[in-house]
Amino acid sequence: EAQVTQNPRYLITVTGKKLTVTCSQNMNHEYMSWYRQDPGLGLRQIYYSMNVEVTDKGDVPEGYKVSRKEKRNFPLILESPSPNQTSLYFCASSFLYDRADGTEAFFGQGTRLTVV
Amino acid sequence: QKEVEQNSGPLSVPEGAIASLNCTYSDRVSQSFFWYRQYSGKSPELIMSIYSNGDKEDGRFTAQLNKASQYVSLLIRDSQPSDSATYLCAVYNAGNNRKLIWGLGTSLAVNP
Repeated sequence: EAQVTQNPRYLITVTGKKLTVTCSQNMNHEYMSWYRQDPGLGLRQIYYSMNVEVTDKGDVPEGYKVSRKEKRNFPLILESPSPNQTSLYFCASSFLYDRADGTEAFFGQGTRLTVV
Repeated sequence: QKEVEQNSGPLSVPEGAIASLNCTYSDRVSQSFFWYRQYSGKSPELIMSIYSNGDKEDGRFTAQLNKASQYVSLLIRDSQPSDSATYLCAVYNAGNNRKLIWGLGTSLAVNP
């Protein structure tokens, strides 16, 4: 089954304690990205990657890191989480180039993060 | 002006009616257009994609695209309470770092 898998689904942590949210896709997609979603602000892209070892900042990258060592995995790292990073996070993947089967994004199940 | 604009709603329709959701975009060279449905606390799921002017139908859903007016819409016929969700419009432009640009979504409530 084609899917994007995120873990954990729920996480409560304390300010300053480093954490990693994992994301893995099995569709051989080149493009992967991380979004956060907050009420009234919609989906905002944090980081994206067009291929292995190629990452770049999205619209709200401050306080986050990513890596893309393998095509299927794109973890999101919060080195020193703060309460303003409390949010719903989504990983998404898609094909990079225009294709007959589309360029739409496939989303993971989401990670509800609370930083206290 | 936001790049992708949607009426936030809530849009309220009775069960069995047609729900009409609208989206306008600012980048004239946008190439692909998507409608996603998102239930509260869940991930967005794709329900329609459209690439050329005109209508595209899939079951109870019809997407309409007018590139000259920079407008894309989603019609839901025979609306059901299970259609109650937020509908997100997303626009893709291969020249914009291959990034999907998202609207804030329209909340739809279908009343039994």
